[in-house]
Amino acid sequence: GEDVEQSLFLSVREGDSSVINCTYTDSSSTYLYWYKQEPGAGLQLLTYIFSNMDMKQDQRLTVLLNKKDKHLSLRIADTQTGDSAIYFCAERDSNYQLIWGAGTKLIIKP
Amino acid sequence: ETGVTQSPTHLIKTRGQQVTLRCSSQSGHNTVSWYQQALGQGPQFIFQYYREEENGRGNFPPRFSGLQFPNYSSELNVNALELDDSALYLCASSYEGTRNSPLHFGNGTRLTVT
Repeated sequence: GEDVEQSLFLSVREGDSSVINCTYTDSSSTYLYWYKQEPGAGLQLLTYIFSNMDMKQDQRLTVLLNKKDKHLSLRIADTQTGDSAIYFCAERDSNYQLIWGAGTKLIIKP
Repeated sequence: ETGVTQSPTHLIKTRGQQVTLRCSSQSGHNTVSWYQQALGQGPQFIFQYYREEENGRGNFPPRFSGLQFPNYSSELNVNALELDDSALYLCASSYEGTRNSPLHFGNGTRLTVT
């Protein structure tokens, strides 16, 4: 079946860039999303990209999509302590349902 | 613009009991979906409601059921609770009618089954 995979943890120094990676298996994906979840909270939509695009930039966030390799990444520039959270990658399949990764916990070191 | 609100925020139930969770969708949204998120995992799709009918379902047994009301709010009902039902239950609303309508989530209901 369809699958989305992410690394479980990423540790970066404050002020550095963070790059969170995601791979997926469904070649018919239409849209791919990045959500952020802080402790005890719901999921906050950060950004999304249509499958015919290869890059999208939104302030400190840059999304890169390599459709051939089914690889998605989220780059956060100038990472701050407030960026500490779990980041989820999700893809919308051909039935318009979301398939989620297990989330990457971003840890910020001072 | 009012966001997605869920109630209650926390709930403790005993195995075998029944529970009802509630969700008010974001203004302008007509579709509600429910997700179960176990600790340390990503959300798992339970079902989706559009125009008061279920129009998509994940791999959950029939004891998970739902309703959508004319004002687009929704309920999730779980019968015969099991210990493994302990999780964060997330409601998300969206506007059906476009191919991509991002989901907007509430803060969830934390259900503990003892």
